[in-house]
Amino acid sequence: DIQMTQSPSSLSASVGDRVTITCRASQGISSWLAWYQQKPEKAPKSLIYAASSLQSGVPSRFSGSGSGTDFTLTISSLQPEDFATYYCQQYNSSPFTFGPGTKVDIK
Amino acid sequence: QLQLQESGPGLVKPSETLSLTCTVSGGSISSSSYYWGWIRQPPGKGLEWIGSIYYSGSTYYNPSLKSRVTISVDTSKNQFSLKLSSVTAADTAVYYCARHERIAVADSWGQGTLVTVSS
Repeated sequence: DIQMTQSPSSLSASVGDRVTITCRASQGISSWLAWYQQKPEKAPKSLIYAASSLQSGVPSRFSGSGSGTDFTLTISSLQPEDFATYYCQQYNSSPFTFGPGTKVDIK
Repeated sequence: QLQLQESGPGLVKPSETLSLTCTVSGGSISSSSYYWGWIRQPPGKGLEWIGSIYYSGSTYYNPSLKSRVTISVDTSKNQFSLKLSSVTAADTAVYYCARHERIAVADSWGQGTLVTVSS
């Protein structure tokens, strides 16, 4: 199985901050990576697929980059509604594994 | 607007079979563009992909669960279902159904349903 790691596991940030979350795959996955946002007691929401393609309706302050084994999710200017947990997921090969999550909370 | 809704028992006894159904509205499960699948999340923990099915019946399962999992589709009812046999407390989780594009990117989710395994 491909193992996914994320760093940091949590971070505190202020509204307006630029936030970067890193995701690493245990082996190369090309650009077969997705990012999700999950708020407490809610289902996850798809943000990005193919490492850098924004899902329809997702604000442009979210961006993704990377290929191979190293990926990043960037929020250019953190908004109050962005405080949540973020997960990466590889879909290069089954099982389609998720990272452990990065919790973004208010400083 | 596409909506997915999970239904099924919230409590299952150990060694029994967990059965859930996902009803899709606002779109056809027979669309050639999507897979339909299940993802679970134990309380306070991360996400685990369980498996996906195409409207034709083709399936992908997580190998760690494959011996216990069956996902099926009923196009006449616009539903798909999950069966997980021989459950233990480790199977206690919120179970989500989701539409998958590109086989495994879950772009639309149900609200989730908590299934507790306990006697």
